[in-house]
Amino acid sequence: DIVMTQTPLSLSVTPGQPASISCKSSQSLLHSDGKTYLYWYLQKPGQPPQLLIYEVSNRFSGVPDRFSGSGSGTDFTLKISRVEAEDVGVYYCMQSIQLPPTFGGGTKVEIK
Amino acid sequence: QVQLQESGPGLVKPSQTLSLTCTVSGGSISSGGYYWSWIRQHPGKGLEWIGYIYYSGSTYYNPSLKSRVTISVDTSKNQFSLKLSSVTAADTAVYYCARVLRLRQIDYWGQGTLVTVSS
Repeated sequence: DIVMTQTPLSLSVTPGQPASISCKSSQSLLHSDGKTYLYWYLQKPGQPPQLLIYEVSNRFSGVPDRFSGSGSGTDFTLKISRVEAEDVGVYYCMQSIQLPPTFGGGTKVEIK
Repeated sequence: QVQLQESGPGLVKPSQTLSLTCTVSGGSISSGGYYWSWIRQHPGKGLEWIGYIYYSGSTYYNPSLKSRVTISVDTSKNQFSLKLSSVTAADTAVYYCARVLRLRQIDYWGQGTLVTVSS
């Protein structure tokens, strides 16, 4: 299985400040079709995960533009340009280039 | 908008079979390109993919659970189901059903249901 490693484990951010989460995969997520199958999800307290970013850098429908994704190959980053109170929760990266899809261990974001 | 809802017993005895059903509304389970999946989350832990089914009945199971998992689909009821046999306390988790686009992107999740394995 592809191992997804996220850092940091947790992040405490002042509202209005930026935040960045790293995700590294044990194998390249670049498919022969030219797409990179890396996704970001946010799990707010008491809720299921919700899709934020698909294929590295595409925001899902309704996701604010303060969220952005970047990276290639095995190294990826999720950035929040200005953290808001509603952004608290656990962020997960996920790969689906190879079965079974696997998730990172999660990064917990809280507000200072 | 597609909605998914899990249902089933919240308590299962060790060695018995866990059975859950996911009811899909707002869209047809027979829509091409979508795979219907089960994912679980142990208390306070990360996410583990259990398996998926296509409306045609083709399945994929995580090798770590394959010997104990069966996923089935009932297109007439717009539902799909999970059976996990020989459960132990290690199977205590929140179980989510989800829709997966082209086997790549989980775009909709159910709210999840906590299943506790205990005598």
